[in-house]
Amino acid sequence: AQSVTQLDSHVSVSEGTPVLLRCNYSSSYSPSLFWYVQHPNKGLQLLLKYTSAATLVKGINGFEAEFKKSETSFHLTKPSAHMSDAAEYFCVVSDLASGYSTLTFGKGTMLLVSP
Amino acid sequence: GAVVSQHPSRVICKSGTSVKIECRSLDFQATTMFWYRQFPKKSLMLMATSNEGSKATYEQGVEKDKFLINHASLTLSTLTVTSAHPEDSSFYICSARVGPDEAFFGQGTRLTVV
Repeated sequence: AQSVTQLDSHVSVSEGTPVLLRCNYSSSYSPSLFWYVQHPNKGLQLLLKYTSAATLVKGINGFEAEFKKSETSFHLTKPSAHMSDAAEYFCVVSDLASGYSTLTFGKGTMLLVSP
Repeated sequence: GAVVSQHPSRVICKSGTSVKIECRSLDFQATTMFWYRQFPKKSLMLMATSNEGSKATYEQGVEKDKFLINHASLTLSTLTVTSAHPEDSSFYICSARVGPDEAFFGQGTRLTVV
């Protein structure tokens, strides 16, 4: 079985400071990992994905994440937060252990950005 | 990238009535679509997997007679909430599988049952 743990339910940063959203996963297979962002009353937008290629993945809007197998982590970072980054972020794991991929969502981290 | 369109974005209905939510893949064919429910300040809960031309597969605890899913074509899946009650009020999101392990999501539907 696969699972995702987002270690922080809320993260507060000031505009212009770095962002770190933490995610740990467990999977019995070689997983694919994703970060999605959700703005209020909106659907989910894919930020980036890891699918066994480069361990440092660059996504949209200046976000990136590093896959660390030894730590089973896939933390999301951004060097400088913008006000528009305020949203809910979901870490998602997918594996193909049974030839059928299922997405397992973390509980989400709300990013709050203050001026 | 692939676009998934969900309609309506918001709906208010009276208790006891039924509501249909549509999920369309606009520029690709989706043999598999997923329906999620999101409670306030909670993560997404997979309700069912919709496969074109066959019956949907429901997750444990989801009432198939209450949440009717139809996937009649490669670009359209519908979720009908039958005999809606206030406890069915929620944010419903669909997604369509693109490739072996990636999905694109619709904009979501805010359902309010009064």
